[in-house]
Amino acid sequence: AQSVTQPDIHITVSEGASLELRCNYSYGATPYLFWYVQSPGQGLQLLLKYFSGDTLVQGIKGFEAEFKRSQSSFNLRKPSVHWSDAAEYFCAVAQKGDRGRRALTFGSGTRLQVQP
Amino acid sequence: DGGITQSPKYLFRKEGQNVTLSCEQNLNHDAMYWYRQDPGQGLRLIYYSQIVNDFQKGDIAEGYSVSREKKESFPLTVTSAQKNPTAFYLCASSADPEPGETQYFGPGTRLLVL
Repeated sequence: AQSVTQPDIHITVSEGASLELRCNYSYGATPYLFWYVQSPGQGLQLLLKYFSGDTLVQGIKGFEAEFKRSQSSFNLRKPSVHWSDAAEYFCAVAQKGDRGRRALTFGSGTRLQVQP
Repeated sequence: DGGITQSPKYLFRKEGQNVTLSCEQNLNHDAMYWYRQDPGQGLRLIYYSQIVNDFQKGDIAEGYSVSREKKESFPLTVTSAQKNPTAFYLCASSADPEPGETQYFGPGTRLLVL
């Protein structure tokens, strides 16, 4: 069964510092990969997604993610964090051929705190 | 503005009571989903609908029911059989149920038990 692991439950970084959030998946084929962000008490917003092609994907708000097949990873990065980036981040995975119930499988999330 | 609306923002349930959470979308999407979010557990799929008049159970459907009589509406009922309903409920939609399609989320409803 497909699974998504976000090893870090909570991360604290200083404003202006770089950020990397980890995501590992367990899948048989090349997956579709997503990163979503959730502000407190709000719904989820798509940051970026990877289907195929260039393994470095650019998203909104200055985020990027890199797909590494050999490591089964899709880590999210940002070179300089802003206080407004404080939120919870979810990695999600899907597989070609899955529909409906398996359209998207979410990791448990990483809560980002930004220190002034 | 196109998007997904959920109401109410907060909902209180008494013991033995059924409550219904509203989800409406004006994106003309075929597929709609209900997720439950608990702290530290990410999102778990309750029900999904790939097209109007059709819906299927997700991973944690027990104690919940849905209907999909209109394309734009996918209400979720939390029944008295759901013994631990306190959670944040998120509705989402996508253009179709294929895995590559982006799911768009509503702002959520927080359900609390009195």
